[in-house]
Amino acid sequence: GDSVTQMEGPVTLSEEAFLTINCTYTATGYPSLFWYVQYPGEGLQLLLKATKADDKGSNKGFEATYRKETTSFHLEKGSVQVSDSAVYFCALTDSMDSNYQLIWGAGTKLIIKP
Amino acid sequence: DAGVTQSPTHLIKTRGQHVTLRCSPISGHKSVSWYQQVLGQGPQFIFQYYEKEERGRGNFPDRFSARQFPNYSSELNVNALLLGDSALYLCASSLDTYSGNTIYFGEGSWLTVV
Repeated sequence: GDSVTQMEGPVTLSEEAFLTINCTYTATGYPSLFWYVQYPGEGLQLLLKATKADDKGSNKGFEATYRKETTSFHLEKGSVQVSDSAVYFCALTDSMDSNYQLIWGAGTKLIIKP
Repeated sequence: DAGVTQSPTHLIKTRGQHVTLRCSPISGHKSVSWYQQVLGQGPQFIFQYYEKEERGRGNFPDRFSARQFPNYSSELNVNALLLGDSALYLCASSLDTYSGNTIYFGEGSWLTVV
């Protein structure tokens, strides 16, 4: 079945550091890829998405490129802020999945220190 | 425009009781999904409804049921509550079941079973 694997956390960085959170996937059909962010005590917010190979999703300084050849969708940000501290989830939907569900990674907790 | 709204936001139930959680999708969205998120884990898919019909079901026992109303709002019902049902229950909506559509989440309903 489909699956998403993302790097384990927590990831601890200093403010203004470069961020990479790795995400790889397996899918039966043609997946669309998403990054969601969850701040403490809150629901899930879409951060960015990409629906076809080589697409780059971007939002709030975060970027991720859909790499079909490496089945990856790594999240990057050039300079993180304390306010970026949250849990980040990589997820996919699969055109072949009759459940029309999001398949989730386990989440990566990001801690940014001032 | 209002986002996905859920009620109640927090509730405490006793083992063996029944609970009903409610969700209103974004205006114009016809697809509603339910997810369970246990603390420290990624969400798990429970149900997906589109045009008032169940289109997808995750690996949850029959104690879990849902329905979608003509106005596209939805209810999630859980019978015979167990301690392990304690979780954040997330409702999500999207325009339809196209896998590339963005899925928007509500703030969730925090259920504690004691």
